[in-house]
Amino acid sequence: DAGVIQSPRHEVTEMGQEVTLRCKPISGHDYLFWYRQTMMRGLELLIYFNNNVPIDDSGMPEDRFSAKMPNASFSTLKIQPSEPRDSAVYFCASSEGLAGETQYFGPGTRLLVL
Amino acid sequence: RKEVEQDPGPFNVPEGATVAFNCTYSNSASQSFFWYRQDCRKEPKLLMSVYSSGNEDGRFTAQLNRASQYISLLIRDSKLSDSATYLCVVNGENAGNMLTFGGGTRLMVKP
Repeated sequence: DAGVIQSPRHEVTEMGQEVTLRCKPISGHDYLFWYRQTMMRGLELLIYFNNNVPIDDSGMPEDRFSAKMPNASFSTLKIQPSEPRDSAVYFCASSEGLAGETQYFGPGTRLLVL
Repeated sequence: RKEVEQDPGPFNVPEGATVAFNCTYSNSASQSFFWYRQDCRKEPKLLMSVYSSGNEDGRFTAQLNRASQYISLLIRDSKLSDSATYLCVVNGENAGNMLTFGGGTRLMVKP
């Protein structure tokens, strides 16, 4: 298996622009997670899906952030409009279950908003 | 209080040294515990699960103390390649017993 795939790996954009991050989870995994990592705040869970349905989006910082999972093999995280404080590494992870299950992370997308 | 707390370090140790990290968690009902490793500019990867009776994987030993709500990771005979950030992970208080990640402890092994 190729593991969790994320694209793009790096993104540099200007404030106000729309940013779309993409993720393909490991086949057969029912859960998909979006995380954000910064030096100041560490790894933060933004939202997670179970069988393509968003279950908990309480970690999404504000309305500028949205996430979708149209099918079992694809998810997007969109930021519109982007701001410099959104600069971070965004990880997607997937797992077969929740508690007690290993989460497998993608390589991340490094986002820089100028 | 944070759900999972770790000393951020860095821990600077010479090759061959033994080093231990501790982590405390706030949810006494937590059932699942892990150590993840994150290399610089890479994604977190599972290092090992932590079982109630303690467990060992080569040079790595993980222990759980439920009464005091802490988890430890012991690394013996440190290698240069052990340099990384070690994340303590616990299934947390939020909805669905989600995994909650600590802030990580950075280890630097020097020649």
